[in-house]
Amino acid sequence: DQQVKQNSPSLSVQEGRISILNCDYTNSMFDYFLWYKKYPAEGPTFLISISSIKDKNEDGRFTVFLNKSAKHLSLHIVPSQPGDSAVYFCAASGDSNYQLIWGAGTKLIIKP
Amino acid sequence: DAGVIQSPRHEVTEMGQEVTLRCKPISGHDYLFWYRQTMMRGLELLIYFNNNVPIDDSGMPEDRFSAKMPNASFSTLKIQPSEPRDSAVYFCASSLEGTGSNEQFFGPGTRLTVL
Repeated sequence: DQQVKQNSPSLSVQEGRISILNCDYTNSMFDYFLWYKKYPAEGPTFLISISSIKDKNEDGRFTVFLNKSAKHLSLHIVPSQPGDSAVYFCAASGDSNYQLIWGAGTKLIIKP
Repeated sequence: DAGVIQSPRHEVTEMGQEVTLRCKPISGHDYLFWYRQTMMRGLELLIYFNNNVPIDDSGMPEDRFSAKMPNASFSTLKIQPSEPRDSAVYFCASSLEGTGSNEQFFGPGTRLTVL
């Protein structure tokens, strides 16, 4: 029973264009949603998060949108750069414990 | 401040041998998590500790796996005996209570190969 789903295993985007990574969840009790980025042979690194009481959070080229009614969030990267090529994980947390519930990841490939 | 430190970075061992993976969390963090990443199952939580006490070990695959946290700055994950299906990348992560988002900081991982 996957509570956090990333349905696209991979995504290919032209350099300079917008990358949109999607994530769906089933548990309406999640308080926070986080995006992590992972390069090969490294651990995941935190990118950006959003509280469930907000619908948008922006940090430089990265913006996360949350649609609570649809139980859907997305990460927008504008403009996409070659260094953005990585696996992106969506994760969710609830206030009852300190675990993160992880999606399966989406591999983003930025084409030159 | 140093991030999460894991050792060794790579471990190659033979089936049946004991394997010990080590983790030093970020100083002051009170949660520690052990994860396993495989192609088939993605990122799986194995066990996590709060203030050195194991809270949830339901992700530990079987009795061959054990984890300890003798103090706030050190944790081990042991596999005895190891099997080829244990081959994976094992990550340790730590976090600080009260941050709201429960952001976790990951180590570089240990790539384990069991022959």
